[in-house]
Order: sequence, then C-alpha cells, then structure tokens
Amino acid sequence: QVTLKESGPALVKPTQTLTLTCTFSGFSLRTSGMRVSWIRQPPGKALEWLARIDWDDDKFYSTSLKTRLTISKDTSKNQVVLTMTNVDPVDTATYYCARTAVSLFDIWGQGTMVTVSS
Amino acid sequence: EIVLTQSPGTLSLSPGERATLSCRASQSVSSNYLAWYQQKPGQAPRLLIYVASSRATGIPDRFSGSGSGTDFTLTISRLEPEDFAVYYCQQYGSSPAPGYSFGQGTKLEIK
Repeated sequence: QVTLKESGPALVKPTQTLTLTCTFSGFSLRTSGMRVSWIRQPPGKALEWLARIDWDDDKFYSTSLKTRLTISKDTSKNQVVLTMTNVDPVDTATYYCARTAVSLFDIWGQGTMVTVSS
Repeated sequence: EIVLTQSPGTLSLSPGERATLSCRASQSVSSNYLAWYQQKPGQAPRLLIYVASSRATGIPDRFSGSGSGTDFTLTISRLEPEDFAVYYCQQYGSSPAPGYSFGQGTKLEIK
C-alpha cells in the first residue's frame, strides 16, 4: 500500500524559510520511474504544482517559483524535502506531496496547512 | 505555460442526472496528457481520469473522459450523492522542461 504524509510547521513568519517533509512508504525513490511532486492549494483556491524530483535525482520547478524552491530526497529515509525561501502571506496554503507518474499524480498525502503571518 | 479554463464554475444538478464538465486549454495538450481529479471538502484530490479517457484504478464506470487537443470533457453518467465535489483538470507538458498546470475547478453541487 502506497502512502505519503506531509509534515512541517503550521505557522511561519514572513521572510522566513519554510521546510516541508514528505515521508512515504510502499515505493522507493531508488526505483527507476519513481517521482514525487509537491503541490499546494491556498484556502478556497485551485491547485498549483510546485516541484518534482525523480529517482535519478532530476529536479523540476514551477517557472514562477523556481528561484525560491529547492527539492531534495533522502532515499534511505524515504523522504522528500521542499524548502521555500522568503515566504509571504500569499504562500498560505495546504501543501501536498504526491507520487507522480510522468503526467499525473496518482497517490496524494493528506496535506499540511501552512499559515504565513507575523 | 498552458492555461486550463474549466466551465461552468458551478454546476447544480440532482442525483441521477448526467453531469458534463468542460476543460479548455490555451494550446494543444501534448499526447493528451490531461487528467481529472475529484476533491471533497477537507480531503486531498483523488485521481479519476488520465490521458484524457483512461479511468484510474477503482474509479466507477459512470465516470468517463473524452476530448483531445484543446477541448476535454469529464462526464458523470448518473450522479450519486457521493459525486458532489469539486473537480479539477490538469495537464502535463515536457517542453522546454516538465511542468504541470491545473484548471480553476468546477464545483458540482446538489440542486
């Protein structure tokens, strides 16, 4: 059974760096073809893809956010980490990680809500 | 970046009726890499349809997807009470680099 779970701070201050961790089970990022993405959803708004990391350590980012994002993996811990620098209140959202199969997101975590406020 | 526009924004129907949701892309979606997701309040999205018309594992056959190029449709043949939710379309493109975008969503509500 494939599961993913996001963790991180519920509240961060503007200009700080946000670090989120996705811990997964049921698959390995050592396996060819495996990928994990981060997606976010501001309250009451649509979904927005942020970043993707592949089994071979290729990394891809949203064009609009690429200067602020870094995605990495720890295959020994089955974890993917996303950092976002210089956060702003507009970054307030539920952040999801999802297993990614090239063109789609087939299994999602439950999401973690992050509020950016002073 | 391809922009996806979903219509209508809200669809009010009764259980047993047929629902037709539209997703239009600003340019052609490569290889029909278009997916549909269902999201209920407080839950993560769930994959329904991929590559425009293939049902994901465990999805009932009352859900169907169609379309190609820039125009795509999700059809729910006979609405069940549990189908009332928000639906998102999503596309994937690989040039110049892999990227994904979502539509703004269609809320399917009980009439």
